[in-house]
Amino acid sequence: QKEVEQDPGPLSVPEGAIVSLNCTYSNSAFQYFMWYRQYSRKGPELLMYTYSSGNKEDGRFTAQVDKSSKYISLFIRDSQPSDSATYLCAMGSGTYKYIFGTGTRLKVLA
Amino acid sequence: DAGITQSPRHKVTETGTPVTLRCHQTENHRYMYWYRQDPGHGLRLIHYSYGVKDTDKGEVSDGYSVSRSKTEDFLLTLESATSSQTSVYFCATGTLGNEQFFGPGTRLTVL
Repeated sequence: QKEVEQDPGPLSVPEGAIVSLNCTYSNSAFQYFMWYRQYSRKGPELLMYTYSSGNKEDGRFTAQVDKSSKYISLFIRDSQPSDSATYLCAMGSGTYKYIFGTGTRLKVLA
Repeated sequence: DAGITQSPRHKVTETGTPVTLRCHQTENHRYMYWYRQDPGHGLRLIHYSYGVKDTDKGEVSDGYSVSRSKTEDFLLTLESATSSQTSVYFCATGTLGNEQFFGPGTRLTVL
């Protein structure tokens, strides 16, 4: 079993839809959680960074962490074609090492 | 956005040749990382550095070495490239327990 599991997709949604992206993990020591967006042939771009449990909102993006269920989510409201990308989750326990999910491909259809 | 550059951005080489990839940062971050990204595997850590001349292995370090003589530069060397090292290589920087920022990547093909 991988430490971090992420559905690879692709996930196709119509423009304006609410998108839910998720990761599950097995290591209860993880406290730091990140979401990255990666366009084709580009480097990952940090979208959200959260510590411990709870929600964090930034514009159309909301990150949610449920440590009791070992489950994190990224919600995208009013999705746009420009949101079409691969979304990576990453998590760590406060040391140098972060574990990345394999990414979910998202397509937002105009 | 952290100032991270990688060079070269693309490289094609032959099996058995040495290859060095360079990462340069302008953010004065203490930690620097080298990852490779392959379909189905996501980002895997090759080596990392926690200070000048301080480096350690990641999960896929075999066949790779690194050096860090200055805060801003982190070099990744493939001593004798193999076809299994064909990949996209990303450098990242950060501070302990905090966000990691990624460079634009180097696409390496080993023939």
